Amino acid sequence: EPEVTQTPSHQVTQMGQEVILRCVPISNHLYFYWYRQILGQKVEFLVSFYNNEISEKSEIFDDQFSVERPDGSNFTLKIRSTKLEDSAMYFCASSGPGAGELFFGEGSRLTVL
Amino acid sequence: AQSVSQHNHHVILSEAASLELGCNYSYGGTVNLFWYVQYPGQHLQLLLKYFSGDPLVKGIKGFEAEFIKSKFSFNLRKPSVQWSDTAEYFCAVTFNSGYALNFGKGTSLLVTP
Repeated sequence: EPEVTQTPSHQVTQMGQEVILRCVPISNHLYFYWYRQILGQKVEFLVSFYNNEISEKSEIFDDQFSVERPDGSNFTLKIRSTKLEDSAMYFCASSGPGAGELFFGEGSRLTVL
Repeated sequence: AQSVSQHNHHVILSEAASLELGCNYSYGGTVNLFWYVQYPGQHLQLLLKYFSGDPLVKGIKGFEAEFIKSKFSFNLRKPSVQWSDTAEYFCAVTFNSGYALNFGKGTSLLVTP
């Protein structure tokens, strides 16, 4: 069964450092998403991406964050200068035409020290 | 403001007991409704979804949910739980045909033998 894969599974970084989280969505999917879950809190929407541009983003997704689909297979989330409060599990997801069911990756746990 | 709430944060049941997990949302417009499950150490998986039509929807593994528009609810049910149903359950809603899934805080279900 096709699946969404994410790397790294866990990253520890110092405050102020740049972090790139990588995702390989399901190959024929057209819509891509990033969500995050801070420990003990809700899964929160960050951004959706379609046709090589952001289609929707939340208030959380400020200028510190950016997304890219550099090569037609990877979908990356970059955090420019990490803060302690960016520590969370980051989930990538993708969906097919019509943006119906989302398929999630296993998540990348980011710890900012 | 649009929101999704799950009332039960932790539920403990014995095997063969019946399950009902509550989910309510606040929004007067068009919604699409989802239940996702996250088994320990695994990614979020779709249990079932409602877009339109019969408000009683059946999903995988014997789960069902009923959309009651007048109550803004989409409760998840299973007549007889198994130990393997131990997981975190998330209700999620898209508002007004948007792409962003808005999650509830999740309900942790523990099924004891």
